[in-house]
Formats: sequence, structure tokens, C-alpha cells
Amino acid sequence: TQLLEQSPQFLSIQEGENLTVYCNSSSVFSSLQWYRQEPGEGPVLLVTVVTGGEVKKLKRLTFQFGDARKDSSLHITAAQPGDTGLYLCAGEWPGTYKYIFGTGTRLKVLA
Amino acid sequence: ETGVTQSPTHLIKTRGQQVTLRCSSQSGHNTVSWYQQALGQGPQFIFQYYREEENGRGNFPPRFSGLQFPNYSSELNVNALELDDSALYLCASSLGSGRGTQYFGPGTRLLVL
Repeated sequence: TQLLEQSPQFLSIQEGENLTVYCNSSSVFSSLQWYRQEPGEGPVLLVTVVTGGEVKKLKRLTFQFGDARKDSSLHITAAQPGDTGLYLCAGEWPGTYKYIFGTGTRLKVLA
Repeated sequence: ETGVTQSPTHLIKTRGQQVTLRCSSQSGHNTVSWYQQALGQGPQFIFQYYREEENGRGNFPPRFSGLQFPNYSSELNVNALELDDSALYLCASSLGSGRGTQYFGPGTRLLVL
């Protein structure tokens, strides 16, 4: 059973378009992290959100944690080819410091 | 500052064999977590070591075992390899067993034939 479902699984868009990736669960998490992973490398942390309703911005990336701390979204404005990669969300299981990763969203931005 | 390194980068084994994967944590980090990432999926938590002791385990059978050394480097051992063990094995180091940022290594890709 996958606790964290991401959608869409695959996304191919043109440079300059906007996109949103969703991370949904029926479980509550203490915090939620977003990573980007490129081929042949390990995931790299983009952001950690902790408070329900929290919004964080990282240049063209906007991250939001749901009010109930069960879901999150990642919005990219004016996507660039350098944004291409596998985007992973990871929820921190309450009281354990164990992270459950989502199914991943593979993004390709075409020049 | 040295990042997280893993060895070997690639490995081919046959069913029933045993394998040992190694991870050197980032300088100053005392916690190592291991993950299995099957093709096309997100990483799955195997276990975490904090100051040489296991500090949490995911849903993996006992044939997945680990070790952390006094210098905080770590090993992942898998016995009686099965075809489904083919995956990318990632280790991540962090400071403290809490909500410290995890820094991932590049992974070891294991193929079981």
C-alpha cells in the first residue's frame, strides 16, 4: 500500500509553461519534504514544510502543505529545461523520524 | 566538506548470493538511513542507524541487516538475494536522529540475476 500518491506520474511540457504536482495521503505527517532526483544521482532536498497551511517559495517553485498536513503541492512557474527530473515528496511519519516517499513525478521540460 | 559516498556504484549478483554495500557519511554526520528505490518508484525506507545503533526499521525482512561503525560509515548487508532485490540502494546521512536534513549519496545499483 502506497501511503503517498503523487500525480501526475509523468509530465512533459514546453519551456515557459506552469505546472503543479500533487502529493496526497490519507495519513497525517509531522512534516513533508520535496526532493528532486536526476539520473545517476541521489535525491536532493528542495524544501521542508512543517506547519499546516504553510507556503514556501524557492525562486520559481512554490510549495504548500495542506491545512490537515495530509497533502502538499509543488507549483513551478515558467518551467525551464533545467527543471527536468524526478520530483519526490516524502512525509515524516509522526514520532518516528522515518520518511515515507511518494511514487514520484517525472517531469520533462522541452526547450 | 566531503559529501556522502557509496560503493560500489554497480553490482551484479545471482539469486541466493549475499551482498554488502557501503556508505561513507558526510563529515560531522552521525546518522545514516538506507533506502531501496525500485525502477520507476520512490525510495522505500529500510532502516536508520544513529550512533552505531539501529534507530528504526521499515517493512523489510531480517535478511536485510546493517551496521554502523565508530566513524559513522555504514554497511547494508542483504542475504539470500532475490530477483526483486534488484534496485538502486541509497544511503542518506544527517546530523542527529531528528529532523535534520538528509543528504543522499549517488546510490549503488544492484542487479540480481
